[in-house]
Amino acid sequence: EPEVTQTPSHQVTQMGQEVILRCVPISNHLYFYWYRQILGQKVEFLVSFYNNEISEKSEIFDDQFSVERPDGSNFTLKIRSTKLEDSAMYFCASRVLAGVGNEQFFGPGTRLTVL
Amino acid sequence: ILNVEQSPQSLHVQEGDSTNFTCSFPSSNFYALHWYRWETAKSPEALFVMTLNGDEKKKGRISATLNTKEGYSYLYIKGSQPEDSATYLCAIEAGGTSYGKLTFGQGTILTVHP
Repeated sequence: EPEVTQTPSHQVTQMGQEVILRCVPISNHLYFYWYRQILGQKVEFLVSFYNNEISEKSEIFDDQFSVERPDGSNFTLKIRSTKLEDSAMYFCASRVLAGVGNEQFFGPGTRLTVL
Repeated sequence: ILNVEQSPQSLHVQEGDSTNFTCSFPSSNFYALHWYRWETAKSPEALFVMTLNGDEKKKGRISATLNTKEGYSYLYIKGSQPEDSATYLCAIEAGGTSYGKLTFGQGTILTVHP
């Protein structure tokens, strides 16, 4: 069964470093998302991406964040200069279409630890 | 800001018990409700997507109902098994221009004891 995959499963980085989190969405899906969950808090939306551009982003998704679909299969989230408060589980999701009844399929997450 | 609340936060039941938990959301601007089952170190697994007031959906021993007028959904598990132990998340998709953005509740952690 097709699934969303994410790498790495766990990343440890120093504050101020750049990180790139990678996702491979399900192949025929058209909408892509990043969410994150800080420990003890709700899963929160970061950004949605469709037709090679950002369709919606949250207040969290500031200039330090960017997304890219570099080669038609991968979908990446880059954090330019990590802060301690960026430590969280980051989930990628994809769906075939937006619209009624369409599921979002999630990857297993990347746990980012910023020291 | 859309606020989605789930209760209880955690639940311990014995194998064979039936259980249910609640997801509450603002009824205005509602588009769809998603239920997910999330086991540690695995991908959140989609259980149901519900859109219509009065919707009832079932998958095996798990079922869900939706009341969009009063802004709540119930998830039921009949005859709980240890393998049902997981965090159950609900998420709301609002209407308007959002491109499928989901707003999540805090989850209900279910532990089923053998």
